[in-house]
Amino acid sequence: AQKITQTQPGMFVQEKEAVTLDCTYDTSDQSYGLFWYKQPSSGEMIFLIYQGSYDEQNATEGRYSLNFQKARKSANLVISASQLGDSAMYFCAMRELSFGNEKLTFGTGTRLTIIP
Amino acid sequence: DGGITQSPKYLFRKEGQNVTLSCEQNLNHDAMYWYRQDPGQGLRLIYYSQIVNDFQKGDIAEGYSVSREKKESFPLTVTSAQKNPTAFYLCASSMLQGANEKLFFGSGTQLSVL
Repeated sequence: AQKITQTQPGMFVQEKEAVTLDCTYDTSDQSYGLFWYKQPSSGEMIFLIYQGSYDEQNATEGRYSLNFQKARKSANLVISASQLGDSAMYFCAMRELSFGNEKLTFGTGTRLTIIP
Repeated sequence: DGGITQSPKYLFRKEGQNVTLSCEQNLNHDAMYWYRQDPGQGLRLIYYSQIVNDFQKGDIAEGYSVSREKKESFPLTVTSAQKNPTAFYLCASSMLQGANEKLFFGSGTQLSVL
């Protein structure tokens, strides 16, 4: 079974609009962490934001926020006021503590294209 | 500057040949990881190591081997047993202090078969 599901292979968004990238996850653990990474065409992976399973507030980092709905097992990334430089692949990932937190499991990603 | 260095950036392998991808980090991180990225499939874990001289298989370890003789280094060998090695390979490292420890990534190696 897929641990991390990203159902949007690609998205096109007008510059300056907000965009939501979907992520659902599957775990039986009570303690886990959720991450979002950005991968520009150059290939490096850039950490964007983190949400812990026990965090009561949604995480925010500048223009990035994470819409965490624990009961629905979703962790959507929201980018406000999109910019041309936001065009990239975006990956959702999860770390489960019951496995000794030794690895992150990634989704298949969403390719975001910002239109001028 | 602290970070993770992967080399080479591009690598070509001939049939039946073993090739080794280098990964070095100066972040003093305990854990190191190798991921493979194919188009449309996201990142899949090959091997990981939490401590020197110890490593564990990930989800797709067949055809690959690793070593961890130094904390700073975690080279990946793509053996001739790996029949479809063409992919983008990413090395990463992290501390081991909790679920919130993010991975730091290198810039990747693109491996192609001649």
